[in-house]
Amino acid sequence: KAGVTQTPRYLIKTRGQQVTLSCSPISGHRSVSWYQQTPGQGLQFLFEYFSETQRNKGNFPGRFSGRQFSNSRSEMNVSTLELGDSALYLCASSSRPEGAGETQYFGPGTRLLVL
Amino acid sequence: SQQGEEDPQALSIQEGENATMNCSYKTSINNLQWYRQNSGRGLVHLILIRSNEREKHSGRLRVTLDTSKKSSSLLITASRAADTASYFCAPETGANNLFFGTGTRLTVIP
Repeated sequence: KAGVTQTPRYLIKTRGQQVTLSCSPISGHRSVSWYQQTPGQGLQFLFEYFSETQRNKGNFPGRFSGRQFSNSRSEMNVSTLELGDSALYLCASSSRPEGAGETQYFGPGTRLLVL
Repeated sequence: SQQGEEDPQALSIQEGENATMNCSYKTSINNLQWYRQNSGRGLVHLILIRSNEREKHSGRLRVTLDTSKKSSSLLITASRAADTASYFCAPETGANNLFFGTGTRLTVIP
């Protein structure tokens, strides 16, 4: 099976712009989670989508949004970019049903630099 | 907080030695997972231990879980230079999201 893919891998934007990141999960996986990783804050959970519905959400402002399509591919959008949004954005997929305890498979990440 | 906290923050050992990393958490959990991250890349799942398990092995990895102390440890035996990475624990409370700590940065010196 192909792994989780994320596009683009690198992105440079300026403050005030918006950005859309894409994640294609492993075939058959219906859950996609997004994480932000920065040197100062570490790895922080953004949100999780399951069958096109946001199932869980972390503590991020409304500028961060996402969606999931019927083929389980997910996109994450950040509007009105700030310098502090510079980070590695990771998505992870799992075959997780309602319960917990399934491995999450991570993509290589999208590195976003906001100037 | 549901977040795991790894200790130490950094660890440097010689190749062939064992490396032990610890994780503490504050809430009741269903499972706890360990992940590895090579510099600036995605995370790789290492092992999952369920709350009713006390110890689990996978190759050179040994994970223990003490739910009474709300702690877990990851032991890597006979370390190799390729084990150099950051290691994260992620307690699970039931929802499909992982709360990672800041990780332990392991350096294995050849």
